[in-house]
Amino acid sequence: DAGVIQSPRHEVTEMGQEVTLRCKPISGHDYLFWYRQTMMRGLELLIYFNNNVPIDDSGMPEDRFSAKMPNASFSTLKIQPSEPRDSAVYFCASSPNRDQPQHFGDGTRLSIL
Amino acid sequence: RKEVEQDPGPFNVPEGATVAFNCTYSNSASQSFFWYRQDCRKEPKLLMSVYSSGNEDGRFTAQLNRASQYISLLIRDSKLSDSATYLCVVTRTGNQFYFGTGTSLTVIP
Repeated sequence: DAGVIQSPRHEVTEMGQEVTLRCKPISGHDYLFWYRQTMMRGLELLIYFNNNVPIDDSGMPEDRFSAKMPNASFSTLKIQPSEPRDSAVYFCASSPNRDQPQHFGDGTRLSIL
Repeated sequence: RKEVEQDPGPFNVPEGATVAFNCTYSNSASQSFFWYRQDCRKEPKLLMSVYSSGNEDGRFTAQLNRASQYISLLIRDSKLSDSATYLCVVTRTGNQFYFGTGTSLTVIP
């Protein structure tokens, strides 16, 4: 079975540019999560969706961040404009339901210069 | 107070040793509990769920203590390949999920 698929794996871009991260959850999983991980702050939940609907976006750091899930098989996390402090590993995860464990993608390593 | 707290370590133990980690959670309404493992520069991967009665998977034993609000992970006969960061996860009603910041383990030859 295909796991959670994220793209790109790595992205390096200059500050001020728009960055779009993509995620394809495991088929049949109703929950999708976006996380950010840094050495200083560990794994932070940014936002999660249930059946394509955003449920909790309280972890989104500021208005420069936005996330969408237009259908059950695709989600995007967008940063516009990007800043150096956004540099981190961004993970997408999915789970079948609330009480089941989450399965993570390989992550996107983002560097903003 | 954080929802989930872990001792960050690092724990440095010799091969063959037994090591235990605890993870405390602040809300008694927490419902589901998991341990994840994360290798350097990799994604977190589910190690095991934690059941009320405690559960074992080979050298790994997970326990839940609802009265004291903590979960534990015990690793027996540590292997070099056990070196990683171990994250605990707690879920709660209202679709809330909380990760601990992780405990770093290094098994030394």
